[in-house]
Amino acid sequence: DIQMTQSPSSLSASVGDRVTITCRASQGISNYLAWYQQKPGKAPKLLIYAASTLQSGVPSRFSGSESGTDFTLTISSLQPEDVATYYCQKYNSAPPTFGQGTKVEIK
Amino acid sequence: EVQLIQSGAEVKNPGGSLKISCQTSGFTFTKYWIGWVRQMPGKGLEWMGVFYPGDSDTRYSPSFQGHVTISADKSITTVYLQWSSLKASDTAIYYCARGEGVNWFFDFWGRGTLVTVSS
Repeated sequence: DIQMTQSPSSLSASVGDRVTITCRASQGISNYLAWYQQKPGKAPKLLIYAASTLQSGVPSRFSGSESGTDFTLTISSLQPEDVATYYCQKYNSAPPTFGQGTKVEIK
Repeated sequence: EVQLIQSGAEVKNPGGSLKISCQTSGFTFTKYWIGWVRQMPGKGLEWMGVFYPGDSDTRYSPSFQGHVTISADKSITTVYLQWSSLKASDTAIYYCARGEGVNWFFDFWGRGTLVTVSS
C-alpha cells in the first residue's frame, strides 16, 4: 500500500502568518491528493482536491501544490477560524488512505 | 442542498450487534458512492469502505473487511454500517460521506455517529 506521511504533526503560528503543511507519498500518485479541515468536534470538510483545486466556497487563502510525491497545503494568512486539524488523502488507488493529520493552533 | 443525516449516538455492550444509518438527500442517490470513515478517540481518519447504490457494489478496506457490513435501502436513500459482534475497540465516531468514485475523495460529510462499546 502507498503510505502518506504528513508533517509536522502540529504547529503553532500567529494570526497573519503563512502556514505550510506537507504530505509525502511513498510512491507516485499523480495529482490524486485531497486536503480536509476538521475543526474540533466537527466533521471533516473538503478544502482541496486534485492537489490544487479549491473546493467551492473555500477561502482563497488556502492553496495546494505538488512537486513529485510531495504535496503542500498553504494557508497564506492564518486566521483564528483556521484552528483545526488538517488531513491529506490520496485517492489514486485502494485504499484511499489519509495522512496522520496536522494540528494547527494560534500562538 | 446535499445532506447526509446520520443516526444518533449509541451505547452497546461488547458482543452486541448494531446498525447505524446515513440518510441522504439533495442528489441522485444511485450516481454517487457513499463511504464510511472511522475516527477513534483523539485519533485520525480511517477509510473503512464504500457502497454504490447504483448496482450495490461494495468495497472494504482490508482493515475492516469481515468485521463490518455496508448496505443500503434505495427506497429511502439510506446507507447503513453494521456490526454483528462489537468490540470495545469499535468505540469511535463514524462518519458517512459522499464520493464520485470508488477510491475517491469525499465532498460532503455527515456530522458523525458516536458509538461507545462498553460493559
